[in-house]
Amino acid sequence: NAGVTQTPKFRILKIGQSMTLQCTQDMNHNYMYWYRQDPGMGLKLIYYSVGAGITDKGEVPNGYNVSRSTTEDFPLRLELAAPSQTSVYFCASSPVPTSYEQYFGPGTRLTVT
Amino acid sequence: AQSVTQPDIHITVSEGASLELRCNYSYGATPYLFWYVQSPGQGLQLLLKYFSGDTLVQGIKGFEAEFKRSQSSFNLRKPSVHWSDAAEYFCAGAGGYQKVTFGIGTKLQVIP
Repeated sequence: NAGVTQTPKFRILKIGQSMTLQCTQDMNHNYMYWYRQDPGMGLKLIYYSVGAGITDKGEVPNGYNVSRSTTEDFPLRLELAAPSQTSVYFCASSPVPTSYEQYFGPGTRLTVT
Repeated sequence: AQSVTQPDIHITVSEGASLELRCNYSYGATPYLFWYVQSPGQGLQLLLKYFSGDTLVQGIKGFEAEFKRSQSSFNLRKPSVHWSDAAEYFCAGAGGYQKVTFGIGTKLQVIP
């Protein structure tokens, strides 16, 4: 049982490039989330999904896109990378929304230069 | 707005000393409250959670937290800190079908 896995662990992008951050969970959780973590700012919700085919915006969605074709996978897409997207990105999952208990992946550290 | 506040950005304690990390919440009704720990380079791990009932909650790694409605607080405690407890600690809250809100974190340094 691997829990929530994220790839890659580190990535450096040039301004304007695009990339996809991968997130997979093997706990059969319906709810999945993408956060970004910036120093002194805590975690900010980017997008979330309540099940396959259903996604919604969080607090800071601009510059990002998501899809959820399966229960297991929830990739995050950056289309035109900007320096403001330099951050650590965490994927999380939750079995039911009313428990609010989330299981986090190890994170992806992204630098845009 | 619903929120949690961690007033201490950085705390230093000596190994073996007691620890208390502060968290205040602002919610209309009793929220669900959590403490997570993040070791360097790692994701967040749930330490403990409060939903209802007993206001003193026991968690993993010897941590506990007490829900105090009168003070709108949910402080995390540990009677004797170990060097391996050095990490960043996040308080989080949720309620009323709103998404989980995280505090900005408190970085704990443990000195010999």
